[in-house]
Amino acid sequence: DQQVKQNSPSLSVQEGRISILNCDYTNSMFDYFLWYKKYPAEGPTFLISISSIKDKNEDGRFTVFLNKSAKHLSLHIVPSQPGDSAVYFCAASARYSGAGSYQLTFGKGTKLSVIP
Amino acid sequence: DGGITQSPKYLFRKEGQNVTLSCEQNLNHDAMYWYRQDPGQGLRLIYYSQIVNDFQKGDIAEGYSVSREKKESFPLTVTSAQKNPTAFYLCASSESTGGDTQYFGPGTRLTVL
Repeated sequence: DQQVKQNSPSLSVQEGRISILNCDYTNSMFDYFLWYKKYPAEGPTFLISISSIKDKNEDGRFTVFLNKSAKHLSLHIVPSQPGDSAVYFCAASARYSGAGSYQLTFGKGTKLSVIP
Repeated sequence: DGGITQSPKYLFRKEGQNVTLSCEQNLNHDAMYWYRQDPGQGLRLIYYSQIVNDFQKGDIAEGYSVSREKKESFPLTVTSAQKNPTAFYLCASSESTGGDTQYFGPGTRLTVL
């Protein structure tokens, strides 16, 4: 049973436009969410996180939105650049609730291609 | 520079041989993790360790073993009992296991011939 789902395996966006990557989760105990970026044959790089007490967090071109009632989060990249082309993983944990807190649960990833 | 190192980057082994993947961190993190990534899949947790001399099985521990004799080191042994060992292996660490942000090493690509 997938607790974290990224339903779009791939996404193509023109350079300069907005990229929106989506993630859904089913476990209501999750209260901490992260996005990682991964290039082929490299380890994932932490991008941005959000806790469930907030509904938005920004860091430069990256903004994460959290809709707790819908159990949905999204990562917005504005403006998109060719160097953003990578696989993006959504991850979640029950960091503050303590239930299964050791683990990050990852989605399967979305491959973003930014076209020059 | 603080970080996580994994060696080697690429590893080839014959079927039936055990192989040990190295992971070292100098971030002074208490917790360390091993994940496996297969094409089109997310990251699946093999083992994790909250503290020296302690480790726990993750979701797919069968055919793998680990040790945590030092805080900085968390080697993973892929045994001959692992049915599909060819994969990309990622090591990570975090300050604690309380669902903290995990930071990853560059990975080791293991190919079993």
